[in-house]
Amino acid sequence: DAMVIQNPRYQVTQFGKPVTLSCSQTLNHNVMYWYQQKSSQAPKLLFHYYDKDFNNEADTPDNFQSRRPNTSFCFLDIRSPGLGDAAMYLCATSGTGSGNTIYFGEGSWLTVV
Amino acid sequence: GQNIDQPTEMTATEGAIVQINCTYQTSGFNGLFWYQQHAGEAPTFLSYNVLDGLEEKGRFSSFLSRSKGYSYLLLKELQMKDSASYLCAGAGGGKLIFGQGTELSVKP
Repeated sequence: DAMVIQNPRYQVTQFGKPVTLSCSQTLNHNVMYWYQQKSSQAPKLLFHYYDKDFNNEADTPDNFQSRRPNTSFCFLDIRSPGLGDAAMYLCATSGTGSGNTIYFGEGSWLTVV
Repeated sequence: GQNIDQPTEMTATEGAIVQINCTYQTSGFNGLFWYQQHAGEAPTFLSYNVLDGLEEKGRFSSFLSRSKGYSYLLLKELQMKDSASYLCAGAGGGKLIFGQGTELSVKP
């Protein structure tokens, strides 16, 4: 059974139209991550939560926001998507402490038209 | 700063052995992960090393040298289905940073 679930799997949005991607986990993990992965590139960390503590990467554009209303759910909001934001968005979770495996969802593919 | 380096691509023959190297610099090192990623799919966990030495798991082994900031992933008895991108990722400072990935092509 899937432990990290992302919705939608595929999203097409218009240039400038806000979009929200969701992630839920059944692992009760403290840490949740959002990565952006463009074609043939490594996943790039956008931000992560340690419980409710939000940690934004310095080079994450302001266009990207996140919410974590509870342990199980985390959202990625793209306020005004541009063509350059087309990518796969990966949600991941991990427990705390050394050796905790990071589990990825299946990803959400975003297309901007 | 944090930096992960690995070769962009490698080619190997079915049945052979291949070693994918990774060098890293992370703040507050908390382990080195290897993930496999097929095109269009999410990364899947292969291995984790936090202590020096070799960890063996079936056809896959991973090695870590903390003093050298170096790791490798060893794949034995290569199969066609092993063609994928292999991502080295360093954990530190509460987050996981990925290298660019090594695209492995397995030829018959």
